[in-house]
Amino acid sequence: GDSVTQMEGPVTLSEEAFLTINCTYTATGYPSLFWYVQYPGEGLQLLLKATKADDKGSNKGFEATYRKETTSFHLEKGSVQVSDSAVYFCALSDQGAQKLVFGQGTRLTINP
Amino acid sequence: NAGVTQTPKFQVLKTGQSMTLQCAQDMNHNSMYWYRQDPGMGLRLIYYSASEGTTDKGEVPNGYNVSRLNKREFSLRLESAAPSQTSVYFCASSAPETNYGYTFGSGTRLTVV
Repeated sequence: GDSVTQMEGPVTLSEEAFLTINCTYTATGYPSLFWYVQYPGEGLQLLLKATKADDKGSNKGFEATYRKETTSFHLEKGSVQVSDSAVYFCALSDQGAQKLVFGQGTRLTINP
Repeated sequence: NAGVTQTPKFQVLKTGQSMTLQCAQDMNHNSMYWYRQDPGMGLRLIYYSASEGTTDKGEVPNGYNVSRLNKREFSLRLESAAPSQTSVYFCASSAPETNYGYTFGSGTRLTVV
């Protein structure tokens, strides 16, 4: 079945550092890909998405490019802030079953 | 604001008690979902409803029942709560026009003692 594998956390960085959180997937067909963010004590919010190969999703300084050849959707940000501290989830859409398949989440902590 | 509303936000139950978690969305989405999130763990799908009138089991359905009351509402019932059901429960909805990307509710934090 479809699956998503994320970089194991936790990840700790200093403010203004460059961030990469790796995400790879296995899927039949051509899924849409998503990154969700969960701030402490809150629900998950959609951060960005890409619906086809070579699409780049972006939001709040975060970017991810849908790479079909490497089955990857890595999340990047050029300069992180303390407020980016959260758990990040990569997901793909299983459109046949009409639901998302989530990675296990990566906890990110940014120190001032 | 449009979105997914969950009630209650917090609940403490005694072992063996029953309760229903409520979820409603006002985005006219066809599909709705219930997940649980345990500390340090990711999301696990309990049940989902691809459309009004249908429900399907997810990966952890034991101990739960669901009702898709209408297109807007999808409730989760614990008939006899157990300490292992202590968790944060999230409801979500989606539709084809969102590529099945979810909109989540803010969660219900349930403690079973």
